[in-house]
Amino acid sequence: EAGVTQFPSHSVIEKGQTVTLRCDPISGHDNLYWYRRVMGKEIKFLLHFVKESKQDESGMPNNRFLAERTGGTYSTLKVQPAELEDSGVYFCASRLQGDPGIYGYTFGSGTRLTVV
Amino acid sequence: GNSVTQMEGPVTLSEEAFLTINCTYTATGYPSLFWYVQYPGEGLQLLLKATKADDKGSNKGFEATYRKETTSFHLEKGSVQVSDSAVYFCALEDFGNEKLTFGTGTRLTIIP
Repeated sequence: EAGVTQFPSHSVIEKGQTVTLRCDPISGHDNLYWYRRVMGKEIKFLLHFVKESKQDESGMPNNRFLAERTGGTYSTLKVQPAELEDSGVYFCASRLQGDPGIYGYTFGSGTRLTVV
Repeated sequence: GNSVTQMEGPVTLSEEAFLTINCTYTATGYPSLFWYVQYPGEGLQLLLKATKADDKGSNKGFEATYRKETTSFHLEKGSVQVSDSAVYFCALEDFGNEKLTFGTGTRLTIIP
C-alpha cells in the first residue's frame, strides 16, 4: 500500500510569490489533514477535509492560504502571496473514516517551504 | 484549550543509555495520548499510544504510561541505540475532536 505522498519535498520561493503544495493521501482515506511546523516549534493543525468538504479549517492562519480537495482525492495547499513567516514544514496526513481511536493517522514526509 | 509541553532538546546520549523524554498536557476533555517519531528524511510515524488512564503504550522498546493524576505521558527506553536518533513528538487528541495537538518536539541523538 502506497503511503501519503507530498510534493515537492522542498521549495524555496521569494516573498510575494505563490506556491502550491500537493498531498496524495492513501487511496480510500476520506479524511485528509494539513499540519504545519514553523521554526522548530510545535506542529500545528491547519485544516481537515472529509472527502471534498472542509470539516474544520480553524487552524488556517489567514486568507493567503487556500486548500482544496476537488473530487475528494488529492489536496492542494496554495500560499499566495507568500510571506517570510510562512516558512516551515507542511505535513499532510490521511485516515480512514471511522473511530479515530482505531483508525490512526498516516503522515507524509512533509514539504519544507522556505520563503526568502 | 489543549496544549502539550515536552522536554526541550536537543538530547544527546550514548548508546545503551536510559532515555526519558518528559511530556505533560492540558486538555479540556479526556484525550488519547501519542508519541510520534520522525526519522531523518521520513514522515511522522506513530510510535505508541494510550487511550485511557493507566494504559501503557509500548513499541520498539519504548514505553509511556498515561498518568491522569499528573497529566503526563513520559517516554522511556531502557537502552537506546544509534538507530533511535530522531525527533520525538508528544501529542494528544480529544475525543470527538479530530485534530492532534503536538508538543514542540525533542531531537534525540545517540552516539556510539
